[in-house]
Amino acid sequence: DVKVTQSSRYLVKRTGEKVFLECVQDMDHENMFWYRQDPGLGLRLIYFSYDVKMKEKGDIPEGYSVSREKKERFSLILESASTNQTSMYLCASSLSRWQGPNQPQHFGDGTRLSIL
Amino acid sequence: AQSVTQLDSHVSVSEGTPVLLRCNYSSSYSPSLFWYVQHPNKGLQLLLKYTSAATLVKGINGFEAEFKKSETSFHLTKPSAHMSDAAEYFCVVRSNSNSGYALNFGKGTSLLVTP
Repeated sequence: DVKVTQSSRYLVKRTGEKVFLECVQDMDHENMFWYRQDPGLGLRLIYFSYDVKMKEKGDIPEGYSVSREKKERFSLILESASTNQTSMYLCASSLSRWQGPNQPQHFGDGTRLSIL
Repeated sequence: AQSVTQLDSHVSVSEGTPVLLRCNYSSSYSPSLFWYVQHPNKGLQLLLKYTSAATLVKGINGFEAEFKKSETSFHLTKPSAHMSDAAEYFCVVRSNSNSGYALNFGKGTSLLVTP
């Protein structure tokens, strides 16, 4: 089974801090994604990556950046945390962009981030 | 752009009765559709996916969904609800925008199962 591991389940940070959320997958997947989940809004895509050192903006990239230095690891960075970034953050991975549109995404358990 | 609308934000059923979670999609061509489930404090798990091979798709835990092009619907059903089915359910369509194979999620339907 695919395992997607997010480094923290719960995180509390202060406004203005630089925050790192880490995600690791163990199945040699090429694609990795970061979403945020808010009540009544479903999941919204922040950033995604198809390969090492490659990144693409999703639907709500403002205030975030990402890093993919190794294939198995995809980091989400909040450059200067703000209270409106309090949310559940979910990481996902899928096999390859060349495997077609029907490949599923595999999700981690999420990081619940609170910005005070 | 592809999108989905989940018609109910909350559904409540009694244990042992049928489950129906409704989803309509919007797509300019044959879509890729999925249903995911999220149990409390957990990540999302794939229930089933529509691959255009068959309009009735069977998933895990007794769930199934029927793709109806004429109605642009992809409703999720289960003949008999179990207490463990209580969770949040997301209907999902593949985005064909700059997000490539990223997914567009519906807002979710919270399923409550009562004894």
